Amino acid sequence: GAVVSQHPSRVICKSGTSVKIECRSLDFQATTMFWYRQFPKQSLMLMATSNEGSKATYEQGVEKDKFLINHASLTLSTLTVTSAHPEDSSFYICSASGAMNTEAFFGQGTRLTVV
Amino acid sequence: TQLLEQSPQFLSIQEGENLTVYCNSSSVFSSLQWYRQEPGEGPVLLVTVVTGGEVKKLKRLTFQFGDARKDSSLHITAAQPGDTGLYLCAGAPTGNMLTFGGGTRLMVKP
Repeated sequence: GAVVSQHPSRVICKSGTSVKIECRSLDFQATTMFWYRQFPKQSLMLMATSNEGSKATYEQGVEKDKFLINHASLTLSTLTVTSAHPEDSSFYICSASGAMNTEAFFGQGTRLTVV
Repeated sequence: TQLLEQSPQFLSIQEGENLTVYCNSSSVFSSLQWYRQEPGEGPVLLVTVVTGGEVKKLKRLTFQFGDARKDSSLHITAAQPGDTGLYLCAGAPTGNMLTFGGGTRLMVKP
């Protein structure tokens, strides 16, 4: 399958700071990228969908000003958690799919801990 | 109510036993995917089923897509501890917009 690289895999930050997570498609052009959040022992919760060159579409209840998503190229999308608080601590996962494919390939995930 | 209802939510079995995980919906899907996720990692795609009634086998795993393309099942034969993980079904009712089931957490004890 296609390769999606997510970085960093783990990050610890202080309350009030911002954290940027990168998601790269290494061997294909990702027309669409998805960002998910996963709480312990639960399934994936879609946060937002982004298409290259356009604004992200956020799911209901997800604050777009807090979770900034940029998808400036066909191989890179970033999620920035702004003014992080302990309740933002979670496992964040990105996935990417190409224009002609309904399958999505996932990054390794980022464990964010806000202290 | 989730678009994809997955059952059971949790399953703990002994090595060598068989098991089946179900993924049901009232909606028709153009395709369904099954993923396995291990702790601290992203989900890994196991299989995609596209045609109603389709059966795909991946070693000891058998995947089936319902005739009406509304449901799917995953059957594992002679489960091994290495099969332990979170199994997720996902469907794309429209284009690339994947929707996930609630997941089945499988634990296989040696």
